[in-house]
Amino acid sequence: AQRVTQPEKLLSVFKGAPVELKCNYSYSGSPELFWYVQYSRQRLQLLLRHISRESIKGFTADLNKGETSFHLKKPFAQEEDSAMYYCALSKSGNTPLVFGKGTRLSVIA
Amino acid sequence: DAMVIQNPRYQVTQFGKPVTLSCSQTLNHNVMYWYQQKSSQAPKLLFHYYDKDFNNEADTPDNFQSRRPNTSFCFLDIRSPGLGDAAMYLCATSRGQAPEAFFGPGTRLTVL
Repeated sequence: AQRVTQPEKLLSVFKGAPVELKCNYSYSGSPELFWYVQYSRQRLQLLLRHISRESIKGFTADLNKGETSFHLKKPFAQEEDSAMYYCALSKSGNTPLVFGKGTRLSVIA
Repeated sequence: DAMVIQNPRYQVTQFGKPVTLSCSQTLNHNVMYWYQQKSSQAPKLLFHYYDKDFNNEADTPDNFQSRRPNTSFCFLDIRSPGLGDAAMYLCATSRGQAPEAFFGPGTRLTVL
């Protein structure tokens, strides 16, 4: 069965510092990977997906099939980035997402 | 705005007393999901509907049932809630072959 691991429960960084939220997955096929974010008192929302290869709010994530990782990065953290971040995987186009436990990012002024 | 709506946002029930959580969507998505999320844990898929086809996860307890009377609405029924069923319940939708899901705000269930 597929599994998503986010090793850090909490990550605290200073404003302006680089951020990397780690995500590793286990799945033998070619999955689709996503990052979701949940800001305080808001719903879970899609941040970015690997197939789009886009940068959203300064965040990027590269799928590394060799290391089975999909780490989320941002060069300069902002206070408004403080939130809960979830990595998620789908086996194929029409299969439900499997989520990691999430990492709480706290950006300190 | 098109969205996913969950009612109520907070639900308190008594041990063993049946409870129903509601979800509606204006996105016209054909797939609807129910996830259970306990504190500090990953959202866990309970079941999902692909159009009218119901897909139950193997480890979803029989205590949990779902109904989807039409495209817009989906219900989660917990027949006899136990203390361990206290959690946030998330409804989500997606469109056809695209797995990215759109989430509702969740219903926090408390079992007394």
